[in-house]
Amino acid sequence: KAGVTQTPRYLIKTRGQQVTLSCSPISGHRSVSWYQQTPGQGLQFLFEYFSETQRNKGNFPGRFSGRQFSNSRSEMNVSTLELGDSALYLCASSLEGQGYEQYFGPGTRLTVT
Amino acid sequence: AQSVTQLGSHVSVSEGALVLLRCNYSSSVPPYLFWYVQYPNQGLQLLLKYTSAATLVKGINGFEAEFKKSETSFHLTKPSAHMSDAAEYFCAVSDGRTGNQFYFGTGTSLTVIP
Repeated sequence: KAGVTQTPRYLIKTRGQQVTLSCSPISGHRSVSWYQQTPGQGLQFLFEYFSETQRNKGNFPGRFSGRQFSNSRSEMNVSTLELGDSALYLCASSLEGQGYEQYFGPGTRLTVT
Repeated sequence: AQSVTQLGSHVSVSEGALVLLRCNYSSSVPPYLFWYVQYPNQGLQLLLKYTSAATLVKGINGFEAEFKKSETSFHLTKPSAHMSDAAEYFCAVSDGRTGNQFYFGTGTSLTVIP
């Protein structure tokens, strides 16, 4: 079974631009979560999508948004990029139900200059 | 709300020595607990999980963890460290009530000294 895939793997953007990151979950997984990882803040939860609906949301500004498609693939968008948005963005998918582990993709390394 | 505390952001052990990484959780309901490992420039990989079956959980690469409800702890151990164990380790908790939201600790960087 293929794992979680994320595209692109690396991205360089300029302040003020916007960016869209993509995540394809493991087949059969309908829950997709996004995380931002930085050396200073560690792993921070962005949001979780299930059946095309945002089910949970972390404490990030409205510049960060996401969506999920009917095939469970998910995208996240960051508008008006700031230098502080430079981070590794991780996507994770899981089966629905209590106690299921999350499977992580390799991440997208975003650098904002 | 759920939370996880990992004591020691950096741990160093000699090759062949015992590895002990500490994790304490806060949960108002019986939790589901996980340990993940992250190698440089990679995503997180599941080491093991606790879901209320056995309190001693065995994972991959020789790691195991023991759930102690009285201490609200879920420490990760490995009897003999290998150079390849050098990585970042994360403890996470989920209560299953708020969708599938996980709460991660701040991570422990393990260094193995040859």
